[in-house]
Amino acid sequence: EVQLVESGGGLVKPGGSLRLSCAASGFTFSSYSMNWVRQAPGKGLEWVSSISSSSSYIYYADSVKGRFTISRDNAKNSLYLQMNSLRAEDTAVYYCARGRVGAHSPDFDYWGQGTLVTVSS
Amino acid sequence: EIVMTQSPATLSVSPGERATLSCRASQSVSSNLAWYQQKPGQAPRLLIYGASTRATGIPARFSGSGSGTEFTLTISSLQSEDFAVYYCQQYNNWPVHYTFGQGTKLEIK
Repeated sequence: EVQLVESGGGLVKPGGSLRLSCAASGFTFSSYSMNWVRQAPGKGLEWVSSISSSSSYIYYADSVKGRFTISRDNAKNSLYLQMNSLRAEDTAVYYCARGRVGAHSPDFDYWGQGTLVTVSS
Repeated sequence: EIVMTQSPATLSVSPGERATLSCRASQSVSSNLAWYQQKPGQAPRLLIYGASTRATGIPARFSGSGSGTEFTLTISSLQSEDFAVYYCQQYNNWPVHYTFGQGTKLEIK
């Protein structure tokens, strides 16, 4: 069974940093691209970042470029999101999602339950 | 950036009836269009990919159609568990970028 479990969320002050993790199991992690998608309270979904299976290709939404860094450790079956210079508008539930197919999957077939990041003074 | 617009924002339908949800792209996305279902407090679930292919385990009452800029998700006979928010999502491969629609809330009439 595919499982994605996020952790690392919490309350942080504006300008602060946080590192999210996503532990994957039930599939060959190193064969799939991985993604972060967020959802502000009561709002819709927003793609944040993607990383290819071997970390060769990395992409970011303009809203987080230069502040967030995605990475993965295939030996540990883990995905990460380092978030720096956090702003109030980064407050959201952050989901880890698996790319369904290919180096740049057009969609996401499995999602974790999410971890809440709150940016507030 | 490609903008995805879903309509209507809210759709009220009785159980057993058909629901039709629309998604429009600001420019062609070919067939790089997916649909997701999200229930309160849960993660999204992939329903349809490639505009018309059902994901693993998705019931046949869900169907997707369209290409280019106009897409439709149809639920042929609504079950109680189908009342949720539905999102469309496009994929652009250069530059790599994903955009979601704002969602359609499907509620019980």
